Amino acid sequence: AQKITQTQPGMFVQEKEAVTLDCTYDTSDPSYGLFWYKQPSSGEMIFLIYQGSYDQQNATEGRYSLNFQKARKSANLVISASQLGDSAMYFCAMSPRNAGNNRKLIWGLGTSLAVNP
Amino acid sequence: NAGVTQTPKFQVLKTGQSMTLQCAQDMNHEYMSWYRQDPGMGLRLIHYSVGAGITDQGEVPNGYNVSRSTTEDFPLRLLSAAPSQTSVYFCASSESGTGNNEQFFGPGTRLTVL
Repeated sequence: AQKITQTQPGMFVQEKEAVTLDCTYDTSDPSYGLFWYKQPSSGEMIFLIYQGSYDQQNATEGRYSLNFQKARKSANLVISASQLGDSAMYFCAMSPRNAGNNRKLIWGLGTSLAVNP
Repeated sequence: NAGVTQTPKFQVLKTGQSMTLQCAQDMNHEYMSWYRQDPGMGLRLIHYSVGAGITDQGEVPNGYNVSRSTTEDFPLRLLSAAPSQTSVYFCASSESGTGNNEQFFGPGTRLTVL
């Protein structure tokens, strides 16, 4: 069965430092996509970064990078130079990349990140 | 583009009442879905649609109905509201294809059932 595991319910980081949020996944699909979303206290879901299972390089988007280790089935999010505005819930999710239109997302339970000044 | 819109933003219902949560997207996305978010439970898929006229059940479909008569709209109907359906509901849409199909989320509907 497909599953996303986020083992850190809560994390603290000092402003301007880097932080890694863990995500491991389980799937038998040969092709899949991995996503990270941010949910601030205001409630909206904000897309951060995407990694395809066949992508050769780790994805980066500004201060966000995804440490993708396919053999270990992990897709950790690295936030560099943390800012106070990074305080939020962070969700890891996975979707099959098979033929057809089904893009059903499997979600982890999230990690709450607090950035201290 | 307005993206994904949801109405209403807030709703209070009494047990047994029915209502429809509206969702619309203007990005011509084939895939649309409804999630509920409860504390400590993450996001759980209620129903989804891979195109107009095609819907399927997700993880927690009981008590909800959907239809997809157009590409743009994907309403979620609560047939007879129960306190267990108190939650925040998100609608999302995405392109198909095999690339980065990020799901675009609506702002959510906070529903309370008394």
